Amino acid sequence: SYELTQPPSVSVSPGQTASITCFGDELGDKYAFWYQQRPGQSPVLVIYQDNKRPSGLPERFSGSNSGNTATLTISGTQAMDEADYYCQAWDSRNVVFGGGTKLTVL
Amino acid sequence: EVQLLESGGGLVQPGGSLRLSCAASGFTFSGYAMTWVRQAPGKGLEWVSSISSSGEKTYDADFVKGRITISRDNSKNTLYLQMNSLRVEDTAVYYCAKDQHSSGRGSAFDYWGQGTLLTVSS
Repeated sequence: SYELTQPPSVSVSPGQTASITCFGDELGDKYAFWYQQRPGQSPVLVIYQDNKRPSGLPERFSGSNSGNTATLTISGTQAMDEADYYCQAWDSRNVVFGGGTKLTVL
Repeated sequence: EVQLLESGGGLVQPGGSLRLSCAASGFTFSGYAMTWVRQAPGKGLEWVSSISSSGEKTYDADFVKGRITISRDNSKNTLYLQMNSLRVEDTAVYYCAKDQHSSGRGSAFDYWGQGTLLTVSS
């Protein structure tokens, strides 16, 4: 079965750029999606179709997807961005989520 | 405003059955596919099932194996998840989510409910 691999944790200082990666076999041939989940809350879509932002989402969130790796980039990271982030893709008829990355803003 | 309100969770014994519901409002329910995603305590997100806007097509995770059935009633703007032969490992918060498109395959999940907790335990 298809798998998506994320680093368990990423740390970033406030105001700096955070990059969260998602690895999957030929992931660049699929669309990658990203979700943010703050503690105790439901997931929120932050990137769809590799690099598109939902309406109302801050411009500091961006995405890319090429080869085997999709990347979520948060520029000028703020304390409110501290959360778990999950990548997601469709593999044929199945939805696959990455294991999640805990972003800590130190 | 899009709202998704799950209900039906609770404590169930292993081998039991339960039906979860998700009441939708704020959008044309019959125009969009819908999905169930679960999250075991302290764990990541796990896709369960998706259903097309008309209900004609469904897509299930491998672990469903006929135990879990997704359905919808467009006249009631409600999504369902019928769960049978429940196991301890089915314990999780179950979220319903709205798809961006109608097909039920290939799109992101742009709105999520608050989730309902199912605990399977003796």
